[in-house]
Amino acid sequence: EAQVTQNPRYLITVTGKKLTVTCSQNMNHEYMSWYRQDPGLGLRQIYYSMNVEVTDKGDVPEGYKVSRKEKRNFPLILESPSPNQTSLYFCASSLGHGPGEQYFGPGTRLTVT
Amino acid sequence: ELKVEQNPLFLSMQEGKNYTIYCNYSTTSDRLYWYRQDPGKSLESLFVLLSNGAVKQEGRLMASLDTKARLSTLHITAAVHDLSATYFCAVEGTSGTYKYIFGTGTRLKVLA
Repeated sequence: EAQVTQNPRYLITVTGKKLTVTCSQNMNHEYMSWYRQDPGLGLRQIYYSMNVEVTDKGDVPEGYKVSRKEKRNFPLILESPSPNQTSLYFCASSLGHGPGEQYFGPGTRLTVT
Repeated sequence: ELKVEQNPLFLSMQEGKNYTIYCNYSTTSDRLYWYRQDPGKSLESLFVLLSNGAVKQEGRLMASLDTKARLSTLHITAAVHDLSATYFCAVEGTSGTYKYIFGTGTRLKVLA
């Protein structure tokens, strides 16, 4: 089944404890992206990747890191999480090197206390 | 800075009624996308609009794009309860970037 998977789906952590949210797609998509969703703010793009080893900042990259070592994986790293990073995170992918029509993962709800 | 504005933000409507959601954007992009999100769920693609004048229809939903006015509309015909969800439009960034900007969403509630 063609899909985007994220893990974990739910995570409660403490301020400053490094964490990684994994994202994987099995559709051979070129473009991958991370978003955070907050009430009243819609979805905001954190980072995106057009190809392996090629990443760029979205609108809210502060406090996040990403890497794209393989085509299928695009992990989101929070080196020192803070409470303002409490949010619902979505990974998405699309076929071409540009954004295009995106296919979303199930989401990861992160709480930082 | 690319901005995407949707209105209304909230919409409560009776079953059987028609209504339109508006999506205004500030870039010269000619590609616009509509997504649906059910409560507690992820987003799914509804429509892909790739040129000026594009119109797509699926069931009771019809989306259109006017790139000159930088406006897309999502028209709901004879609403039913199953259409209750949050609807987002999204626009690609201008040339030179591969950003993707979402509107703030329109939460639609269809009352039986």
